Amino acid sequence: DQQVKQNSPSLSVQEGRISILNCDYTNSMFDYFLWYKKYPAEGPTFLISISSIKDKNEDGRFTVFLNKSAKHLSLHIVPSQPGDSAVYFCAARSEYGNKLVFGAGTILRVKS
Amino acid sequence: SQTIHQWPATLVQPVGSPLSLECTVEGTSNPNLYWYRQAAGRGLQLLFYSVGIGQISSEVPQNLSASRPQDRQFILSSKKLLLSDSGFYLCAWSSGKAFFGQGTRLTVV
Repeated sequence: DQQVKQNSPSLSVQEGRISILNCDYTNSMFDYFLWYKKYPAEGPTFLISISSIKDKNEDGRFTVFLNKSAKHLSLHIVPSQPGDSAVYFCAARSEYGNKLVFGAGTILRVKS
Repeated sequence: SQTIHQWPATLVQPVGSPLSLECTVEGTSNPNLYWYRQAAGRGLQLLFYSVGIGQISSEVPQNLSASRPQDRQFILSSKKLLLSDSGFYLCAWSSGKAFFGQGTRLTVV
């Protein structure tokens, strides 16, 4: 049972344009959502997060939007840069904060 | 500051051999600890998590086990490896956000 879904396996974007990565979840008990970035043969690094009491959080070029009624969140990267090319994982926290559930990831390629 | 150490970075083991991967965390007390696996071309699958010494929750039935003998030490083990155990194993600690080690690439041959 996949509680966190990233339905786009890959995304290709031109440098300077906006990248939009999507994530859907099924568990209404999730209260905290995170995005991670991962390069090959390395551990994921934390990018940005959002609490369920907010609908938007911004950090520089990265903005995460949360739509609780739709159980959907998205990560916007503007402007996209070649160094943003990586796998992006969406994650959600459940069970009183003890467990992080990850999506399958989306490979982002930013073309120069 | 907190750091997480995971070793070895790569490992090639024959089928049927035992496994022991170790993870230690510094700079924090009583962290939640996790083992994840990333199979080729797939997402991060939660294998085990621990909220305290000796407390292990298993997420999926499998050929692996985990132990937490000390507060900041988390060990992933197997008595007999299978080919399907190959993958990229990641240890993480959390106090809200999760912070990952550099991972271990395990190849079972």
